[in-house]
Amino acid sequence: QTVVTQEPSFAVSPGGTVTLTCGLSSDSVSTSYSPSWYQQTPGQAPRTLIYSTNIRSSGVPDRFSGSILGNKAALTITGAQADDESVYYCVLYLGRAIWVFGGGTKLTVL
Amino acid sequence: QVQLQESGPGLVKPSQTLSLTCTVSGGSISSGSYYWNWIRQPAGKGLEWIGRVYTSGGTNYNPSLRSRVSISVDTSKNQFSLNLSSVTAADTAVYHCARLVAGIHWYFDLWGRGTLVTVSS
Repeated sequence: QTVVTQEPSFAVSPGGTVTLTCGLSSDSVSTSYSPSWYQQTPGQAPRTLIYSTNIRSSGVPDRFSGSILGNKAALTITGAQADDESVYYCVLYLGRAIWVFGGGTKLTVL
Repeated sequence: QVQLQESGPGLVKPSQTLSLTCTVSGGSISSGSYYWNWIRQPAGKGLEWIGRVYTSGGTNYNPSLRSRVSISVDTSKNQFSLNLSSVTAADTAVYHCARLVAGIHWYFDLWGRGTLVTVSS
């Protein structure tokens, strides 16, 4: 079974830069996996941040950016703010109409 | 502005069938190129894609749940529904409905806030 991997947790200082990654247990992540990223705060619906690797969803600040770094998809937050403290999920399209989410990365801003 | 709202029983007994409905408001479920999805999240855990339905009625499911899942759409009511049979405590989760954009770009662009379903006797 294919597993999508994310760091369980990460910490960043206010104003700092952090890169979260999204990998595959069985392959390198490429744009063909259509990686997208979502932000979730407790009790809220997930919010779409990035789709198709690096396209920001409407209304998302440009401090959020997406890319492929090495063999993983990546979400970079530049100039982190306190309200960026959330859980971040990536999801990959594995083909045959199958989508798999990563386990999420809990980001702490401190 | 299109919104999604989940509804259904918050408590289901083991071995029974979990049934939820997602109501689409502010727009037609039949307009645009979208798939309509169910995604769940056990307490303290990550998101799991359950499956999707198109307005034609075509469906796709997570292979790990395929034998127990059925998703259907009712365009006249602007709703789509989830049935998950033979539930156990492991099916206890917050269930979200979500819209998947289809076309040049594929991604989940709209989510419901979710509804907690507990499986317990």
